[in-house]
Amino acid sequence: NAGVTQTPKFQVLKTGQSMTLQCAQDMNHNSMYWYRQDPGMGLRLIYYSASEGTTDKGEVPNGYNVSRLNKREFSLRLESAAPSQTSVYFCASSGLAGARSEQFFGPGTRLTVL
Amino acid sequence: GENVGLHLPTLSVQEGDNSIINCAYSNSASDYFIWYKQESGKGPQFIIDIRSNMDKRQGQRVTVLLNKTVKHLSLQIAATQPGDSAVYFCAENSSGAGSYQLTFGKGTKLSVIP
Repeated sequence: NAGVTQTPKFQVLKTGQSMTLQCAQDMNHNSMYWYRQDPGMGLRLIYYSASEGTTDKGEVPNGYNVSRLNKREFSLRLESAAPSQTSVYFCASSGLAGARSEQFFGPGTRLTVL
Repeated sequence: GENVGLHLPTLSVQEGDNSIINCAYSNSASDYFIWYKQESGKGPQFIIDIRSNMDKRQGQRVTVLLNKTVKHLSLQIAATQPGDSAVYFCAENSSGAGSYQLTFGKGTKLSVIP
């Protein structure tokens, strides 16, 4: 049981490049989330998927798109990377709907945009 | 907007002592609170949560106290161990913020002195 996995672990991009961060969970969870974590700050919600087939914006969605490919996978895409998107990105999942339940986090993707 | 914050950014405790990590919140509509632990290079891990209809909740070696009058939350760790060294985040949710939105504090780094 791997839990939540994320790829890649590290990535360096140039301004304007695009990339997709991959996330998968094997816990049969309905809800999945993408957060970013900046130095000295807490996590901020980018997008979430309450269930397969649905996605919604979180607190900081600008510059990102998401796809809930199936129940297991939830990807985050940066179409045109900017230095302000340098951050650590975490994917999470939860078995119960909403923020009022335990979320299981992946190990994170450390992204640097030059 | 209203924020969840922390009184102390760093805390050092002797192994075996009790630790108290504090969190202040300003959104009076917040009615659900959760604590996460984040070890270096890893994703956050759920510790304990509490709803606003409770003042206290206990887990294994951890206790969360909620004082709604002064909008204060604390996490107590009994008999602190080296494995407790991490950054601890409090987060809150209010029905007005949307059922999937968690607002995280900036975190407190706990260092355990052997």
